[in-house]
Amino acid sequence: AQTVTQSQPEMSVQEAETVTLSCTYDTSESNYYLFWYKQPPSRQMILVIRQEAYKQQNATENRFSVNFQKAAKSFSLKISDSQLGDTAMYFCAFMKPKRGGADGLTFGKGTHLIIQP
Amino acid sequence: EPEVTQTPSHQVTQMGQEVILRCVPISNHLYFYWYRQILGQKVEFLVSFYNNEISEKSEIFDDQFSVERPDGSNFTLKIRSTKLEDSAMYFCASSEKVSPGQPQHFGDGTRLSIL
Repeated sequence: AQTVTQSQPEMSVQEAETVTLSCTYDTSESNYYLFWYKQPPSRQMILVIRQEAYKQQNATENRFSVNFQKAAKSFSLKISDSQLGDTAMYFCAFMKPKRGGADGLTFGKGTHLIIQP
Repeated sequence: EPEVTQTPSHQVTQMGQEVILRCVPISNHLYFYWYRQILGQKVEFLVSFYNNEISEKSEIFDDQFSVERPDGSNFTLKIRSTKLEDSAMYFCASSEKVSPGQPQHFGDGTRLSIL
């Protein structure tokens, strides 16, 4: 079974700073997908970024980028030029592709990120 | 942008009663999921559904739970004989999965409170 660990329950940074959220995972699979989801106080979880394990290049989406270290099983999220709207719970999630079926996500416990004005 | 919608947003039920949580996935999606999040804990996978049958289920998804796609748009989670520990946020999600690893799109959730 896969496990996902987010070791930072809460982080707080000033607006415009850069912040890195850590995530490690444990799996024996070689092919898998990793995600960061954001859950603002309004509750809906929103996809932030997606990484395919077989791609060495780190995914980026505007101010959001990841540092994917497959050997170390690490998948950290970097938020540049943080904004007040980035305040949310951030969840790291793992997906093992299931041939012909629907793949459940394994989530970490989340990091509560607070952006201070 | 299309969204996953869940109703009700908050459900209060007496212990031992049955409850049905409803979801309308994104219309062209074929893969559906239920997750739960007990207060202060991580989001946990319950079940996935494809082609009118359960694709995968977790240990949590025991005989107390069932899922159904009663028509072309709704996807429901039924909990029979609810227990206090069923109190949680329940999230529905859907995905296209035209290729492996497609992201799942989540609804706002239903907060279930068992009294």
